[in-house]
Amino acid sequence: AQKITQTQPGMFVQEKEAVTLDCTYDTSDQSYGLFWYKQPSSGEMIFLIYQGSYDEQNATEGRYSLNFQKARKSANLVISASQLGDSAMYFCAMREGGPQGGKLIFGQGTELSVKP
Amino acid sequence: ETGVTQTPRHLVMGMTNKKSLKCEQHLGHNAMYWYKQSAKKPLELMFVYSLEERVENNSVPSRFSPECPNSSHLFLHLHTLQPEDSALYLCASSQSGSSAEAFFGQGTRLTVV
Repeated sequence: AQKITQTQPGMFVQEKEAVTLDCTYDTSDQSYGLFWYKQPSSGEMIFLIYQGSYDEQNATEGRYSLNFQKARKSANLVISASQLGDSAMYFCAMREGGPQGGKLIFGQGTELSVKP
Repeated sequence: ETGVTQTPRHLVMGMTNKKSLKCEQHLGHNAMYWYKQSAKKPLELMFVYSLEERVENNSVPSRFSPECPNSSHLFLHLHTLQPEDSALYLCASSQSGSSAEAFFGQGTRLTVV
Protein backbone atom coordinates (compact mmCIF):
# COMPACT_ATOMS: atom_id res chain seq x y z
CA ALA A 1 0.00 0.00 0.00
CA GLN A 2 1.17 3.50 -0.76
CA LYS A 3 2.23 5.72 2.11
CA ILE A 4 3.60 9.23 2.52
CA THR A 5 5.46 10.43 5.62
CA GLN A 6 6.40 13.96 6.62
CA THR A 7 8.28 13.91 9.92
CA GLN A 8 8.56 17.67 10.53
CA PRO A 9 5.33 19.05 12.05
CA GLY A 10 6.79 22.56 12.07
CA MET A 11 9.80 24.39 10.66
CA PHE A 12 11.21 27.89 11.06
CA VAL A 13 13.41 29.67 8.55
CA GLN A 14 14.88 33.14 8.35
CA GLU A 15 13.74 35.29 5.47
CA LYS A 16 16.00 34.97 2.40
CA GLU A 17 17.45 31.66 3.58
CA ALA A 18 16.83 28.23 2.05
CA VAL A 19 14.82 25.52 3.77
CA THR A 20 14.31 21.80 3.12
CA LEU A 21 11.05 20.05 3.92
CA ASP A 22 11.34 16.27 4.23
CA CYS A 23 9.13 13.67 2.58
CA THR A 24 9.52 9.91 2.36
CA TYR A 25 7.22 7.54 0.58
CA ASP A 26 6.52 3.87 0.17
CA THR A 27 5.06 2.12 -2.83
CA SER A 28 5.44 -1.15 -4.68
CA ASP A 29 4.61 0.45 -8.03
CA GLN A 30 7.35 1.32 -10.51
CA SER A 31 5.30 4.15 -11.99
CA TYR A 32 4.22 6.92 -9.68
CA GLY A 33 4.16 10.68 -9.32
CA LEU A 34 5.22 12.85 -6.40
CA PHE A 35 3.72 16.27 -5.73
CA TRP A 36 4.12 19.15 -3.32
CA TYR A 37 1.26 21.46 -2.38
CA LYS A 38 1.13 24.65 -0.33
CA GLN A 39 -1.86 25.46 1.85
CA PRO A 40 -2.03 29.03 3.18
CA SER A 41 -4.29 29.93 6.08
CA SER A 42 -7.07 30.63 3.57
CA GLY A 43 -7.37 26.85 3.05
CA GLU A 44 -6.86 26.48 -0.68
CA MET A 45 -4.37 23.89 -1.91
CA ILE A 46 -1.82 25.28 -4.36
CA PHE A 47 0.19 22.92 -6.56
CA LEU A 48 3.92 23.67 -6.45
CA ILE A 49 5.97 20.99 -8.16
CA TYR A 50 5.85 17.49 -9.64
CA GLN A 51 8.40 14.68 -9.96
CA GLY A 52 7.81 11.50 -11.96
CA SER A 53 9.31 8.21 -10.86
CA TYR A 54 11.13 7.84 -14.18
CA ASP A 55 12.46 11.40 -14.26
CA GLU A 56 16.23 11.33 -13.99
CA GLN A 57 16.63 14.99 -13.16
CA ASN A 58 15.28 16.77 -10.12
CA ALA A 59 12.28 18.95 -10.85
CA THR A 60 12.57 22.71 -10.44
CA GLU A 61 9.94 25.45 -10.54
CA GLY A 62 11.26 28.90 -9.78
CA ARG A 63 12.35 28.97 -6.13
CA TYR A 64 11.11 25.41 -5.59
CA SER A 65 13.18 22.32 -6.30
CA LEU A 66 12.56 18.70 -5.48
CA ASN A 67 15.47 16.62 -4.21
CA PHE A 68 14.45 13.20 -5.52
CA GLN A 69 16.39 10.23 -4.17
CA LYS A 70 14.66 7.17 -5.58
CA ALA A 71 16.71 4.53 -3.78
CA ARG A 72 15.97 6.20 -0.45
CA LYS A 73 12.35 6.82 -1.45
CA SER A 74 12.59 10.46 -0.51
CA ALA A 75 11.28 13.56 -2.26
CA ASN A 76 12.31 16.58 -0.23
CA LEU A 77 11.17 20.08 -1.17
CA VAL A 78 13.78 22.83 -1.18
CA ILE A 79 12.62 26.44 -1.06
CA SER A 80 15.37 28.92 -1.85
CA ALA A 81 15.42 32.56 -0.75
CA SER A 82 12.43 32.21 1.60
CA GLN A 83 9.85 34.97 1.61
CA LEU A 84 7.32 35.94 4.29
CA GLY A 85 4.56 34.78 1.95
CA ASP A 86 5.98 31.26 2.05
CA SER A 87 4.60 30.80 5.57
CA ALA A 88 2.00 28.05 5.16
CA MET A 89 1.35 24.32 5.48
CA TYR A 90 3.20 22.19 2.95
CA PHE A 91 1.99 18.76 1.91
CA CYS A 92 3.80 16.04 0.03
CA ALA A 93 1.57 13.74 -2.03
CA MET A 94 1.86 10.68 -4.22
CA ARG A 95 -0.19 9.07 -6.94
CA GLU A 96 0.50 5.58 -8.22
CA GLY A 97 0.04 4.75 -11.88
CA GLY A 98 -2.81 2.78 -13.31
CA PRO A 99 -5.54 3.10 -15.93
CA GLN A 100 -7.84 4.94 -13.58
CA GLY A 101 -5.19 7.33 -12.34
CA GLY A 102 -4.85 5.98 -8.86
CA LYS A 103 -5.41 7.64 -5.53
CA LEU A 104 -3.65 10.87 -4.64
CA ILE A 105 -2.67 10.53 -1.00
CA PHE A 106 -1.08 13.13 1.25
CA GLY A 107 1.43 13.24 4.08
CA GLN A 108 0.71 14.83 7.44
CA GLY A 109 2.07 18.20 6.40
CA THR A 110 4.76 20.59 7.63
CA GLU A 111 3.93 24.05 8.92
CA LEU A 112 6.58 26.48 7.70
CA SER A 113 7.06 29.84 9.41
CA VAL A 114 9.32 32.41 7.78
CA LYS A 115 10.84 34.93 10.21
CA PRO A 116 11.61 38.50 9.11
CA GLU B 1 -9.26 32.43 -9.75
CA THR B 2 -9.62 28.69 -9.51
CA GLY B 3 -10.88 26.24 -12.14
CA VAL B 4 -12.55 24.26 -9.34
CA THR B 5 -15.41 25.97 -7.53
CA GLN B 6 -16.98 24.76 -4.31
CA THR B 7 -20.19 25.97 -2.74
CA PRO B 8 -21.00 26.90 -0.10
CA ARG B 9 -17.75 28.17 1.41
CA HIS B 10 -19.11 27.88 4.93
CA LEU B 11 -21.91 25.70 6.29
CA VAL B 12 -23.34 25.26 9.76
CA MET B 13 -25.83 22.45 10.14
CA GLY B 14 -27.61 20.60 12.90
CA MET B 15 -27.23 16.88 13.37
CA THR B 16 -30.70 16.21 11.97
CA ASN B 17 -30.31 18.39 8.87
CA LYS B 18 -29.73 17.31 5.29
CA LYS B 19 -27.44 19.42 3.14
CA SER B 20 -25.30 19.05 0.03
CA LEU B 21 -21.88 20.31 -0.94
CA LYS B 22 -21.32 21.15 -4.58
CA CYS B 23 -18.16 21.07 -6.66
CA GLU B 24 -17.79 22.19 -10.26
CA GLN B 25 -14.75 22.07 -12.52
CA HIS B 26 -14.21 23.69 -15.91
CA LEU B 27 -10.81 22.19 -16.63
CA GLY B 28 -11.92 19.26 -18.77
CA HIS B 29 -10.68 16.75 -16.21
CA ASN B 30 -12.03 13.21 -16.03
CA ALA B 31 -11.45 12.49 -12.33
CA MET B 32 -12.87 14.20 -9.24
CA TYR B 33 -12.18 13.71 -5.55
CA TRP B 34 -13.57 14.53 -2.11
CA TYR B 35 -11.13 15.02 0.76
CA LYS B 36 -11.77 15.71 4.44
CA GLN B 37 -9.31 17.83 6.40
CA SER B 38 -9.81 17.96 10.15
CA ALA B 39 -7.82 20.25 12.40
CA LYS B 40 -4.23 19.08 12.91
CA LYS B 41 -4.78 16.03 10.69
CA PRO B 42 -3.67 15.18 7.17
CA LEU B 43 -6.05 15.22 4.23
CA GLU B 44 -8.15 12.09 4.18
CA LEU B 45 -9.28 10.80 0.81
CA MET B 46 -13.01 10.06 0.92
CA PHE B 47 -14.18 9.32 -2.63
CA VAL B 48 -12.72 9.18 -6.12
CA TYR B 49 -14.73 9.36 -9.32
CA SER B 50 -13.08 8.54 -12.62
CA LEU B 51 -15.07 8.91 -15.83
CA GLU B 52 -18.15 9.42 -13.64
CA GLU B 53 -17.75 6.06 -11.93
CA ARG B 54 -16.88 5.77 -8.27
CA VAL B 55 -13.55 3.99 -8.11
CA GLU B 56 -12.64 4.60 -4.50
CA ASN B 57 -14.58 4.70 -1.26
CA ASN B 58 -12.32 4.85 1.76
CA SER B 59 -14.68 3.30 4.30
CA VAL B 60 -16.61 6.51 4.63
CA PRO B 61 -19.74 6.35 6.83
CA SER B 62 -23.01 6.14 4.93
CA ARG B 63 -24.10 9.54 6.26
CA PHE B 64 -21.85 10.88 3.47
CA SER B 65 -23.21 10.12 0.02
CA PRO B 66 -21.38 11.26 -3.14
CA GLU B 67 -22.95 11.89 -6.50
CA CYS B 68 -21.27 12.56 -9.84
CA PRO B 69 -23.92 13.33 -12.47
CA ASN B 70 -21.34 14.28 -15.12
CA SER B 71 -17.62 14.86 -15.44
CA SER B 72 -17.89 18.52 -14.41
CA HIS B 73 -19.96 18.20 -11.26
CA LEU B 74 -19.54 16.41 -7.96
CA PHE B 75 -21.81 16.52 -4.94
CA LEU B 76 -21.48 15.36 -1.36
CA HIS B 77 -24.83 14.77 0.28
CA LEU B 78 -24.83 15.02 4.05
CA HIS B 79 -27.41 13.70 6.52
CA THR B 80 -27.51 13.03 10.26
CA LEU B 81 -23.91 14.14 10.73
CA GLN B 82 -22.00 14.08 14.00
CA PRO B 83 -19.99 16.92 15.59
CA GLU B 84 -16.76 15.08 14.73
CA ASP B 85 -17.66 15.50 11.06
CA SER B 86 -16.88 19.19 11.40
CA ALA B 87 -13.96 19.82 9.05
CA LEU B 88 -12.80 21.43 5.84
CA TYR B 89 -14.09 19.46 2.84
CA LEU B 90 -11.98 19.86 -0.26
CA CYS B 91 -12.91 18.91 -3.78
CA ALA B 92 -10.27 18.30 -6.44
CA SER B 93 -10.12 17.33 -10.07
CA SER B 94 -7.42 15.97 -12.37
CA GLN B 95 -6.78 13.99 -15.49
CA SER B 96 -6.22 10.30 -14.90
CA GLY B 97 -2.59 9.21 -14.76
CA SER B 98 0.19 9.33 -12.21
CA SER B 99 1.71 12.53 -13.63
CA ALA B 100 -1.43 14.63 -13.41
CA GLU B 101 -1.57 17.15 -10.60
CA ALA B 102 -4.87 17.72 -8.89
CA PHE B 103 -6.48 21.15 -8.81
CA PHE B 104 -8.37 21.99 -5.64
CA GLY B 105 -11.34 24.12 -4.82
CA GLN B 106 -11.24 26.52 -1.90
CA GLY B 107 -13.11 24.10 0.32
CA THR B 108 -16.27 24.14 2.39
CA ARG B 109 -15.80 24.76 6.10
CA LEU B 110 -18.46 22.58 7.73
CA THR B 111 -19.53 22.92 11.34
CA VAL B 112 -21.97 20.40 12.80
CA VAL B 113 -23.79 21.61 15.90
